[in-house]
Amino acid sequence: QKEVEQNSGPLSVPEGAIASLNCTYSDRGSQSFFWYRQYSGKSPELIMSIYSNGDKEDGRFTAQLNKASQYVSLLIRDSQPSDSATYLCAVGLYQKVTFGTGTKLQVIP
Amino acid sequence: GAVVSQHPSRVICKSGTSVKIECRSLDFQATTMFWYRQFPKQSLMLMATSNEGSKATYEQGVEKDKFLINHASLTLSTLTVTSAHPEDSSFYICSAEDRVVQYFGPGTRLLVL
Repeated sequence: QKEVEQNSGPLSVPEGAIASLNCTYSDRGSQSFFWYRQYSGKSPELIMSIYSNGDKEDGRFTAQLNKASQYVSLLIRDSQPSDSATYLCAVGLYQKVTFGTGTKLQVIP
Repeated sequence: GAVVSQHPSRVICKSGTSVKIECRSLDFQATTMFWYRQFPKQSLMLMATSNEGSKATYEQGVEKDKFLINHASLTLSTLTVTSAHPEDSSFYICSAEDRVVQYFGPGTRLLVL
């Protein structure tokens, strides 16, 4: 079992829709959770961090964490073509952060 | 805040030469920095964890004598690819840790001819 799992996609959504990206993790003791966006040919960029159960909103982005179910998700409202990228989920335990392989999102104009 | 730079952004070298890549945290001090490699259309692969003032910790399968890492200060880590070969051509990305969060540099694209 992979430590951090994501569906590789591609996930295609129409412009203006809500994109929902999901991530599950195996270590129940994980403490910190991150979402990164990586455009093709570029390095990852931090979008959100979340540390406690519930929702955290930042602009069009909402991160949701459910530690009991060991999943973390990212919602992107009003998706734009510029949101088309690969989204990496990262999970931290103490000093170690493990990255998922990413979900490719395509926003169709 | 939390800006990480890398230099060079792109390098082309001949097979057998060595290439040094610098990673700097510009506005924070990073005890820990990480080096990743990413081949086209593949996911990030952690190569090593670099700790200031101590030896780097390499992931399984990464040759420490080929990929030399030095983390001499709290703002600078270097990766030297020694005797580079065409199969070392890749996108090398560093990250620096600031209170658990990793911030990535822009990456260095290495092409070995």
